[in-house]
Amino acid sequence: AQSVTQLDSQVPVFEEAPVELRCNYSSSVSVYLFWYVQYPNQGLQLLLKYLSGSTLVKGINGFEAEFNKSQTSFHLRKPSVHISDTAEYFCAVSDLTAGNTPLVFGKGTRLSVIA
Amino acid sequence: GAGVSQSPRYKVAKRGQDVALRCDPISGHVSLFWYQQALGQGPEFLTYFQNEAQLDKSGLPSDRFFAERPEGSVSTLKIQRTQQEDSAVYLCASSSGTWNTEAFFGQGTRLTVV
Repeated sequence: AQSVTQLDSQVPVFEEAPVELRCNYSSSVSVYLFWYVQYPNQGLQLLLKYLSGSTLVKGINGFEAEFNKSQTSFHLRKPSVHISDTAEYFCAVSDLTAGNTPLVFGKGTRLSVIA
Repeated sequence: GAGVSQSPRYKVAKRGQDVALRCDPISGHVSLFWYQQALGQGPEFLTYFQNEAQLDKSGLPSDRFFAERPEGSVSTLKIQRTQQEDSAVYLCASSSGTWNTEAFFGQGTRLTVV
């Protein structure tokens, strides 16, 4: 079964500094990949997704992620964070080799931006 | 509506009580998903509807959990004889297509079983 590993449970970073949130998934020939953000007491909001094509994906709020098939990774990056980026971030994968399958989420990374 | 709406936002149930959680998806969305999010964890899949058909219920943890979507719109997740381990946030999501088109999530229902 597909699994997702988010290597850091918490990431503190100073305002205007760059950040990378790491995500690895178990190997598969064909996957769709997603990053979601969850603000306190809110549902999940899609940041970006990789379905096919260019491996560098740009999303909302200045975030981007790069799909690396050989390393089975989909790390999320932002060159300069704001206080408002403080939230929980979830990486998710859908394994296409098993037909239509539901999204499998990682355990999340709590990003804390420090003024 | 403008987004996915879930009610109630918060529910406290005594152990053994039955609960019903409601999800109003975005109008016209074909697909509806339920997820369970335990404290400090990522969401875990419970069940999936395409219109009124429940195509996948592999994630339902026990036969105490039941979901329906009788008219292909509003969905209800019912938990019978609640247990403490059922305490979690229950998230509903809908999408216009099948599995891998963008899913829009509701704010969730936080269930606390005491």
